[in-house]
Amino acid sequence: AQTVTQSQPEMSVQEAETVTLSCTYDTSESDYYLFWYKQPPSRQMILVIRQEAYKQQNATENRFSVNFQKAAKSFSLKISDSQLGDAAMYFCASSQGAQKLVFGQGTRLTINP
Amino acid sequence: KAGVTQTPRYLIKTRGQQVTLSCSPISGHRSVSWYQQTPGQGLQFLFEYFSETQRNKGNFPGRFSGRQFSNSRSEMNVSTLELGDSALYLCASSPNNQETQYFGPGTRLLVL
Repeated sequence: AQTVTQSQPEMSVQEAETVTLSCTYDTSESDYYLFWYKQPPSRQMILVIRQEAYKQQNATENRFSVNFQKAAKSFSLKISDSQLGDAAMYFCASSQGAQKLVFGQGTRLTINP
Repeated sequence: KAGVTQTPRYLIKTRGQQVTLSCSPISGHRSVSWYQQTPGQGLQFLFEYFSETQRNKGNFPGRFSGRQFSNSRSEMNVSTLELGDSALYLCASSPNNQETQYFGPGTRLLVL
């Protein structure tokens, strides 16, 4: 069975600084996808970034980038130039082609002005 | 394109009642998945529908059921509600077999 682990229940960062959220996963499949979703207080789940396991290049979306270490089954999210609007719960998730996401427990990110 | 919509947004029921939640996917998306989010269990997969067929099901009791219509809209039903069914129910849609799921705003269900 797939498992996703986020070991940091809470993180905080000063506005404009960089923060990294950690995620590890476990899967026996060779073909899978990894995601980071953001859930602000509105509870709307918003896609931040996606990584295909077969791609060696780390995904990047503006200020958001990932460090994908396939052998170590690690998938961390780096947020650069943190903004107040980045404050939210961040969920790491994996999918193995069955349209079924397995989520981690989440990391609450606080941005200090 | 309009995003995923869910109705109702909030719902209060009493134990033993049943409830039906609705989800309209992004236009052109044929896959709809449902998730339950609670403080204790986190986000858990309920089931997924594609072209009116349930393709995958999570570990929930038979009180939880769903269906999908020919226009890809989906409903989930919970019968004989229990206090533990209080949760945020999230619906997500994706096009065909692509892996990225886009979520709706959720329905908050409170069971008293």
